Amino acid sequence: AQRVTQPEKLLSVFKGAPVELKCNYSYSGSPELFWYVQYSRQRLQLLLRHISRESIKGFTADLNKGETSFHLKKPFAQEEDSAMYYCAFISSGSARQLTFGSGTQLTVLP
Amino acid sequence: DAGVTQSPTHLIKTRGQQVTLRCSPKSGHDTVSWYQQALGQGPQFIFQYYEEEERQRGNFPDRFSGHQFPNYSSELNVNALWLGDSALYLCASSPDTFNEQFFGPGTRLTVL
Repeated sequence: AQRVTQPEKLLSVFKGAPVELKCNYSYSGSPELFWYVQYSRQRLQLLLRHISRESIKGFTADLNKGETSFHLKKPFAQEEDSAMYYCAFISSGSARQLTFGSGTQLTVLP
Repeated sequence: DAGVTQSPTHLIKTRGQQVTLRCSPKSGHDTVSWYQQALGQGPQFIFQYYEEEERQRGNFPDRFSGHQFPNYSSELNVNALWLGDSALYLCASSPDTFNEQFFGPGTRLTVL
């Protein structure tokens, strides 16, 4: 079955510390992977996608097909990074159906 | 462009009733997807509409149905509501040839 696992429901780090949000997926094909973010009282929005290979707001994520992982990283966390983060993928050949993980609530402490 | 809009914002229904939720896609987008987000969970795909037809469906019963209009707006209908249908319902739109989906603010449905 197609599945996304985010093992940490809650993650707290101090401002300036590195942060890594874990994501593992279960899919035999070649998925397209995304990180979505939801800030307090805002709508769900795309943070980054693996095919773009961009760094958005200092965040990066590398697709590791061998480990079926797509962890989100930032070297120096900021308080404004506090939000709910969802890992998601679209399986190849699908009608762009997003499969989401259950999310990680990141809190960056001052 | 206001982006994806949804109405109503909140809704309270009782078991057995029927509900209709509405979505207007972002300008230039022709594909609309609906997701259910239960408390503490990630969004779950319900179905997707393109060219006024249901193109793909997730693991939801037939009580969940939808419609897309010629202007690309969409409706989600849920019949015979259960308590378990209480959730945030999200609408997302995208151009057909593009994988990034833009989400609306959601409709919070409470079934009593």
